[in-house]
Amino acid sequence: EPEVTQTPSHQVTQMGQEVILRCVPISNHLYFYWYRQILGQKVEFLVSFYNNEISEKSEIFDDQFSVERPDGSNFTLKIRSTKLEDSAMYFCASTIYPDSWGVNYGYTFGSGTRLTVV
Amino acid sequence: GENVEQHPSTLSVQEGDSAVIKCTYSDSASNYFPWYKQELGKGPQLIIDIRSNVGEKKDQRIAVTLNKTAKHFSLHITETQPEDSAVYFCAAINNDMRFGAGTRLTVKP
Repeated sequence: EPEVTQTPSHQVTQMGQEVILRCVPISNHLYFYWYRQILGQKVEFLVSFYNNEISEKSEIFDDQFSVERPDGSNFTLKIRSTKLEDSAMYFCASTIYPDSWGVNYGYTFGSGTRLTVV
Repeated sequence: GENVEQHPSTLSVQEGDSAVIKCTYSDSASNYFPWYKQELGKGPQLIIDIRSNVGEKKDQRIAVTLNKTAKHFSLHITETQPEDSAVYFCAAINNDMRFGAGTRLTVKP
């Protein structure tokens, strides 16, 4: 079963520091996403990415956030100057199509990176 | 953008009973409705989905129903087992996927 791989599984950082969260989507997928989940809360959409550019972003995804696909396999989320409220689980997801009519074309999520800002 | 409401937030059932989780969505253009199960410390895992041209779908003990007119959809789990205990999220997709707030299901042996 193909997987979305995220590293690291847990990252602790000082407030104000930059962090980069890494994801390797499934190889034949074309659309990539970042979501975050603050402890005990809902999974929130951050950004979608297709054809090397952002397709859509939420109000959470402000100027402190950026995404990049630096090579053919990695998809990264950078937080430039972390704040305490950035502490959350960050999930990467990928899919072939965002609204495909095919069977089992739902998003595939990685296991997440737990970011703790201290 | 799309807004997905999910109820209840917590649900406790006895093993063998049925569990029903309900969601509503706001964007009539949404056309795909997946359900995810999230176990502690893991990412969401797709368990079943339904497209907007279908009213009902079943996969063993799990079924989903969709009412496009009312813009609501439901997850039904029959003959619940302790391993069904998890947080369940509904979602709706038009351009991107938006999640409901989640339901913590506890199945008591």
